[in-house]
This record gives sequence, C-alpha cells and structure tokens, in this order.
Amino acid sequence: EVVLTQSPAILSVSPGERATLSCRASQSVGSNLAWYQQRPGQAPRLLIYGASIRATGIPAKFSGSGSGTEFTLSISSLQSEDFAVYFCQQYYNWPPRYTFGQGTKLEI
Amino acid sequence: QVQLQESGPGLVKPSETLSLTCSVSGGSVTLGSFYWGWIRQPPGKGLEWIGYVYYSGTTYYNPSLKSRVTISVDTSRDQFSLKLSSVTAADTALYYCARHRNGYNDYWGQGTLVTVSS
Repeated sequence: EVVLTQSPAILSVSPGERATLSCRASQSVGSNLAWYQQRPGQAPRLLIYGASIRATGIPAKFSGSGSGTEFTLSISSLQSEDFAVYFCQQYYNWPPRYTFGQGTKLEI
Repeated sequence: QVQLQESGPGLVKPSETLSLTCSVSGGSVTLGSFYWGWIRQPPGKGLEWIGYVYYSGTTYYNPSLKSRVTISVDTSRDQFSLKLSSVTAADTALYYCARHRNGYNDYWGQGTLVTVSS
C-alpha cells in the first residue's frame, strides 16, 4: 500500500499570504496525485488532479506541482474561505489501491 | 451538473449489515468514462477509499474491506449501493458517494453519518 504523508499537520498563515502544503508518497506514484479541499461540514472538493491540473472551476490561485514521491499544493493570496483541511490522494495502483493522506489543516 | 445524494439508516447495530444508496442526477451512471464509488471518513479522521463499481457491474474494493463489502449498480434508477457486513464501532463514519474519473473523485455527495451502536 502506498502511504501518503502530509506536512505539516497544521499550518497557520495570515490572510493575503501564500501557503505551501506538502504530500510525500512512500513509493513513486508518477503524476497520479489529486488534491482536495474540505471545508467544515462539507464534502471534499476536487482541486487538482494529475499532480498539477486544476479541476473545472478552480481558480488559478491554487497550483499543484511535483511527481514521483514529492508533491506540493500552493495557495496564493489566502482568503477566509481557503482556510480548510486539504487532502492528497494517490491513484497510481492497478488494480486500484487508492489511498489518502491524513490531511493538513490550514488555519488563520 | 452532476449531483449525488446518499440515503440510508443512520444507525446500525453491531454485527449487522450497513446499507446505503447513492442517487445520481444530472447525468447517468451508464456514462462510460466514469466509475461510481464510496469513501468514508471516521469522525475527526482522514478519508478511506472503500471501492467502486462500473455500470457494467465490474467492481474494485479496498483489500482491507473486501471480505465485507459489496457495491452494486442499478442503471434503471441511476443509483448505486453499498453493503458492509458484520459492522463494528470502527465502521462508524461519514460515508460519501462519489464519481470516479481516471482514479480521482470529481463529484461528491454531501455524506451521510452512520453510527454503529446497539
């Protein structure tokens, strides 16, 4: 099983600043990585797939990078609605053995 | 726009079978590019992929749950269902249904909380 480790667990950033979140895989997953945002009381929302491709309707302030075992989600010009929990997910395996990271809480 | 909605009992007794249904609107489960699946989130914890089904009935399950999980699809109703047998308190979670596209999940239901308790 591919283990995804997200860091930090909690990230404190001021509004208007930039946040950088990390996701590390226990083995290479190529570019088969997605990022999700989960606001309190809401379902996760797809932000990024293919490590760097923004999903439909996602603003350019969200950007993903990386491949192999090291991935980064960057969020610029933080606004109140961006403070949430962010999960990464790998979908490299076939047959599927999809796994998620434990999440990073982005707080003010 | 595709919408998904989970339904089913919010309370299940230990050792019994958890049963949930996901209704899809704004699109058909028979669209060939997508799988339809279930993901859960224990209170205050992370996400766990349970499995998914193709409209043909082909299924893939998380190996850790495979012996207890059945996911099926009803194309006539644009619904798919989850059954999880022999539940314990460890199965208490928010259960989401979602549309899988090439491995990632692009549409999610709002989730339904299932508590396992006598």
